[in-house]
Amino acid sequence: GNSVTQMEGPVTLSEEAFLTINCTYTATGYPSLFWYVQYPGEGLQLLLKATKADDKGSNKGFEATYRKETTSFHLEKGSVQVSDSAVYFCALSDLKSGANSKLTFGKGITLSVRP
Amino acid sequence: EAQVTQNPRYLITVTGKKLTVTCSQNMNHEYMSWYRQDPGLGLRQIYYSMNVEVTDKGDVPEGYKVSRKEKRNFPLILESPSPNQTSLYFCASSWQGGNYGYTFGSGTRLTVV
Repeated sequence: GNSVTQMEGPVTLSEEAFLTINCTYTATGYPSLFWYVQYPGEGLQLLLKATKADDKGSNKGFEATYRKETTSFHLEKGSVQVSDSAVYFCALSDLKSGANSKLTFGKGITLSVRP
Repeated sequence: EAQVTQNPRYLITVTGKKLTVTCSQNMNHEYMSWYRQDPGLGLRQIYYSMNVEVTDKGDVPEGYKVSRKEKRNFPLILESPSPNQTSLYFCASSWQGGNYGYTFGSGTRLTVV
């Protein structure tokens, strides 16, 4: 079945540091890949997505590239801010799962950014 | 404002007392789903609905029921809650399923004692 593996957390960085959060996946079909962000006390928000190999998703300074050869979708940001402190989830949705194109999530990773 | 609204935000209940968590979306989405979030496990799908009167089980459906009588509403029903259903629950909706991204509600934190 489908699965998503995220690097272990939590991650603590200083403001303006470079961020990389690793994400790899296993899927039987041709998945779409997502990063969701959950700010404290809130629901999940779609941060960015990519729907096919070599696509790059980007939003709010975050980027991730769909790498089919390494089955990866790593999240990067060049200069993090305190306001980026949140939980980040990598997820996939596989068209081949049929009617239920559900999201399969990684376990999430908590990012804390110090001033 | 386009949104998914869940109620209540917080709920403490006792074992065996039936409860309903409501979910409503104002985006005319056909696809809706319930997830539970547990530490170290991420989010897991409970039930989903492709359209009115069309529902099916997700990965962890035991102990839950759902209904979809109207397009905008997708309530989650716990007929006889147990402590292992203590969790954070999210409702989500999408225009055409997960490949296009979901809009999530703010969550319902349920504690069963």
